[in-house]
Amino acid sequence: EVQLVESGGGLVQPGRSLKLSCAASGFTFSNYYMAWVRQAPTKGLEWVASITNSGGSTYYRDSVKGRFTISRDNAKSTLYLQMDSLRSEDTATYYCTSGATPDYWGQGVMVTVSS
Amino acid sequence: DVVLTQTPPTLSATIGQSVSISCRSSQSLLDSDGDTYLNWLLQRPGQSPQLLIYSVSNLESGVPNRFSGSGSETDFTLKISGVEAEDLGVYYCMQATHAPLTFGSGTKLEIK
Repeated sequence: EVQLVESGGGLVQPGRSLKLSCAASGFTFSNYYMAWVRQAPTKGLEWVASITNSGGSTYYRDSVKGRFTISRDNAKSTLYLQMDSLRSEDTATYYCTSGATPDYWGQGVMVTVSS
Repeated sequence: DVVLTQTPPTLSATIGQSVSISCRSSQSLLDSDGDTYLNWLLQRPGQSPQLLIYSVSNLESGVPNRFSGSGSETDFTLKISGVEAEDLGVYYCMQATHAPLTFGSGTKLEIK
């Protein structure tokens, strides 16, 4: 059974950092381009960042460039999102997903940025 | 960025009714490799999104065949032939032809 399990979310003050993890199982993680997609409360889906299967290339939406870093450890089948200088507008549920053809999704992890 | 415009924003259907959702792109989604990376997702209440259709018209494994996708270039349609109660939720189109990945604003399907 395919599973993507996110962790690391929570309440954080503006300007602080948080690191999300997404543990994958049930498929060959190293073969997949992966992505983070977020959803602000009552809003639609928004792509955040992507990474190629080798980790050699990464891509970010403009509003998180320079603040967020996507990475992966294929040996551990785990995807990460390091989020620095967090802002209130980063408040959302963050999903890890299997990239451009998102056939796999995690359950989501909530990140709340508030003082 | 590619803008995907979905219509209608909300849809109310009875069980057994057939419905369609439109997704129009601000640019052609035909990739240089010949594929068109337009996908359809369903997010049921309180759940993660799930992939229904990929590359315009390919049914994801396990998805009922009452769902179908069609279209080309900039105009795409998701059709549900005979709505069932479990189909309620928000439908999103999503494109992966042009960076960055973008999503439509969603169509909420309600069951009468």
